[in-house]
Amino acid sequence: EVQLVESGGGLVQPGGSLRLSCAVSGFTFSRYWMSWVRQAPGKGLEWVANIKRDGSEEYYVDSVKGRFTISRDNARNSLYLQMNSLRAEDTAVYYCAKGGDYWHYGGQGTLVTVSS
Amino acid sequence: DIVMTQSPDSLAVSLGERATINCRSSQSVLSRSSNKNSLTWYQQKPGQPPKVLIYWASTRESGVPDRFSGSGSGTDFTLTISSLQAEDVAVYYCQHHYSNPNTFGQGTRLEIK
Repeated sequence: EVQLVESGGGLVQPGGSLRLSCAVSGFTFSRYWMSWVRQAPGKGLEWVANIKRDGSEEYYVDSVKGRFTISRDNARNSLYLQMNSLRAEDTAVYYCAKGGDYWHYGGQGTLVTVSS
Repeated sequence: DIVMTQSPDSLAVSLGERATINCRSSQSVLSRSSNKNSLTWYQQKPGQPPKVLIYWASTRESGVPDRFSGSGSGTDFTLTISSLQAEDVAVYYCQHHYSNPNTFGQGTRLEIK
């Protein structure tokens, strides 16, 4: 069974940084693209970034380019999202997802709140 | 970037009746190499992650009730719930993965009339 467990969220001041983690199990992590999406309170889903199986390619939504970095450690079965220069509009629940025929979102997400 | 537009934004349907949600992409999401549409439908209930219902535009995920079906190709897609049940109250999203960014539609809120 595919399991995705996000962590690392919390309250941070504008301009601050956070590093999110996603621990995975139940599949061969290194064989799949992975992504992060987010959902602001009461709003819809927004795709944030994805990363190729070996980490050689990364893609970002324009609003986070230059501030967020997606990475992975295939030896540790873990996905990461380094978030710098955080803004109030980055406040959201962040979900990680496994690629394949579709993006599989299985975790409960981790809440990031950017506020002074 | 491909823009995904769902209609309607909200929908109220009586129990046992048909519900239809549309999704239009600003450009085709049909892959010529695979002849598959890179379009997925999700259901999201409060406090839960999105759950896949339909992928490749028309393939039902294992375990999803057969009252859910997907159709369409190219730029126009439809999710149909043939006989609405109380547990289908949720927000429904389409998402493409044809190219980056893999954008979502804005969501359609489905309620019981």
